[in-house]
Amino acid sequence: TQLLEQSPQFLSIQEGENLTVYCNSSSVFSSLQWYRQEPGEGPVLLVTVVTGGEVKKLKRLTFQFGDARKDSSLHITAAQPGDTGLYLCAVSSGTYKYIFGTGTRLKVLA
Amino acid sequence: DAGVIQSPRHEVTEMGQEVTLRCKPISGHNSLFWYRQTMMRGLELLIYFNNNVPIDDSGMPEDRFSAKMPNASFSTLKIQPSEPRDSAVYFCASTVTSGPYEQYFGPGTRLTVT
Repeated sequence: TQLLEQSPQFLSIQEGENLTVYCNSSSVFSSLQWYRQEPGEGPVLLVTVVTGGEVKKLKRLTFQFGDARKDSSLHITAAQPGDTGLYLCAVSSGTYKYIFGTGTRLKVLA
Repeated sequence: DAGVIQSPRHEVTEMGQEVTLRCKPISGHNSLFWYRQTMMRGLELLIYFNNNVPIDDSGMPEDRFSAKMPNASFSTLKIQPSEPRDSAVYFCASTVTSGPYEQYFGPGTRLTVT
C-alpha cells in the first residue's frame, strides 16, 4: 500500500511571504498531481507531472519533483489571500487510481 | 462551459433513511469517480466507472453503498440504510481516459446523518 505524507498539516502566514509545502510517498510513483481546494468546493487541478526531476511553474507557484519520483514540493512566492485553501497532492502508479494525501491547510492573512 | 454537476449540495437525514446522491459529468468525459472526504481519512476513492461500466468498487465501504451509471451523462451513489458514520462530503469527478487522468471535481454533497 502506497502511503502519502504531506507537511506541514497547517500553515498560517502573512501576505507577501514565501512558503513551501511537501509531499512524500513511500513508493515510486508514475505521476503526481497537485490540487487546491477552497472551502465548500471540490479540488481543482493545478499541475500534473510524470518526469522525475522536473520543475513546473504556474505564475507564483513552482512545483519541483524529486529525481527518485518519491517526493515533491510546492513553493509559493509572495503569497496572497487568494492562495488560501487546502493543497492536496495525489500519486498514481500508472493507472486511474490516485492516492490522495491529507493535505496542507494554508491560510494567508491580509 | 458547465463543469461537473452534483446534487443536492447539502443533505441532512436521519439514521436508517435512504440517501441518493447525483452526478452529471462533463460532456465527453468517459471516466467517472466517486470519492468521500472526511477530516480523519482525507479523500478516498469509492468507485470508478469507465464508459458507464463499474471497473473498481473496492473502495465502497460495505453493501449499504451502491452506485450506478445508466448512461454517459448521469450517475448515482446510494446509501441504504444510512448511518451517522456515513457523514462526509461526497465528490464526483470525471475525466477522459487518456494520459494521466486529470480529474475535474464537482462541488460535492455534504451529507449529515443524525
